This record gives sequence, structure tokens and C-alpha cells, in this order.
Amino acid sequence: EVQLLESGGTLVQSGGSLRLSCAASGFTFSNYAMSWVRQAPGKGLEWVSGIGASGGSTYYADSVKGRFTISRDNFKNTLYLLMNSLGAEDTALYYCAKDQVFDIWGQGTMVTVSS
Amino acid sequence: IQMTQSPSSLSAFVGDRVTITCQASRDIRKYVNWFQQKPGRAPELLIYDASNLQTGVPSRFSGSGSGTDFTFTISSLQPEDIATYYCQQFDNLPYTFGQGTKLEIK
Repeated sequence: EVQLLESGGTLVQSGGSLRLSCAASGFTFSNYAMSWVRQAPGKGLEWVSGIGASGGSTYYADSVKGRFTISRDNFKNTLYLLMNSLGAEDTALYYCAKDQVFDIWGQGTMVTVSS
Repeated sequence: IQMTQSPSSLSAFVGDRVTITCQASRDIRKYVNWFQQKPGRAPELLIYDASNLQTGVPSRFSGSGSGTDFTFTISSLQPEDIATYYCQQFDNLPYTFGQGTKLEIK
């Protein structure tokens, strides 16, 4: 079964850091670009970051550029999102999604930033 | 690229034809996805490349359009279609979503 499983979300203080993980299974992870998408409570979807299949190309939304770093380990079939300088505006459910068509999503991991 | 989705909410009867539109701020060719998100669940891909039905998605869902104007249609609304629907462009980074359409049953 094709599956993505996020982890690492928690309550963190403003200004803190956090690393999210997304474990992939059921498909050849190294063949596909991946993305992180977030959803603030009661709000819509916001694309956060993307990475090419090999990890050589990375992309960020302006709202997180310079603070977040996306990476992947194709041997461990895992996608990561390192988040620094977190603020209240980063409070959201974070999803990882497969490929440019976002055909598979994880269940999400919740990040809550407290002031 | 801004994706302007309308309406923001919609109420219809079971069996009705429902249409949602998305307008891109510039030409995005055919690179639009449509997602369904039910409460407490992750989004699910319904339509990719503007008009291609994702495997396993019922045929009452369809999409059309190219360039800047895109349409998503449910041909006969079913009770299980209650959800929020989003368009998304993936022609240019950063990928952007529409604001969402919350669909309810009358």
C-alpha cells in the first residue's frame, strides 16, 4: 500500500526549532518529487516547500524562505522539514505529499507554536 | 500565481449539478489539480492536469479548462460529496491553492 506517515509535530515555543519527518512506503521514493503543505486551523491549504527526486533542487514559499529547510534521504525513504525561528503564524497541520500532482498525502502532523 | 476560486461556499440538493471555478492570474496551461477534503481528513486528489480523473475517483467528478480558466463539476451531487474542494496550480513555483469551496447539502 502506498503510504506517507508524518511525525515530529509538537508544541514548541516561539523562536524555537523543530524537524518533521515523512516516512514513505509502497512506492519507489527516489523517483518522485515531494512537497510539504500546511493548513492552519480552520484555514485553507498552503504549499510550503518542495524537493526534487534526487534532492538536488529545493523550493520554498516566501513565508518560510530562510527559516525552513527541506531535505530527503532516499536510502531511508524519508522526507524532512527543518523549521527554525518558528512563530505563531507557523501553527498548522503539516502534510507531506507525493509528486507534482500530489496524488498521495499523509495524515498530517500538528505543529503548535506558543508565545 | 494567484488562484481565485469561486464560490467560497455552495449549498445544493442531492442530484444537482455543481460547478466550481478557478481563475489563474496568468497562463498555467493545463497544470491544475482539484482536491477534496473532508472534515478531519487529508486532501485527496480528484482531478489532475485540469481534466484527468484520478484512478478510483467516481466518474461524476470532472474538470475542464486551460490557460487561466478552469472548471470543476460534480454531475449529480451525492451525500458523501460534502467536503471542501480546492484547486491548485503546479505550473509555476510556488505552487498555489485556491481559497477553497465548502459544499453543503440543502
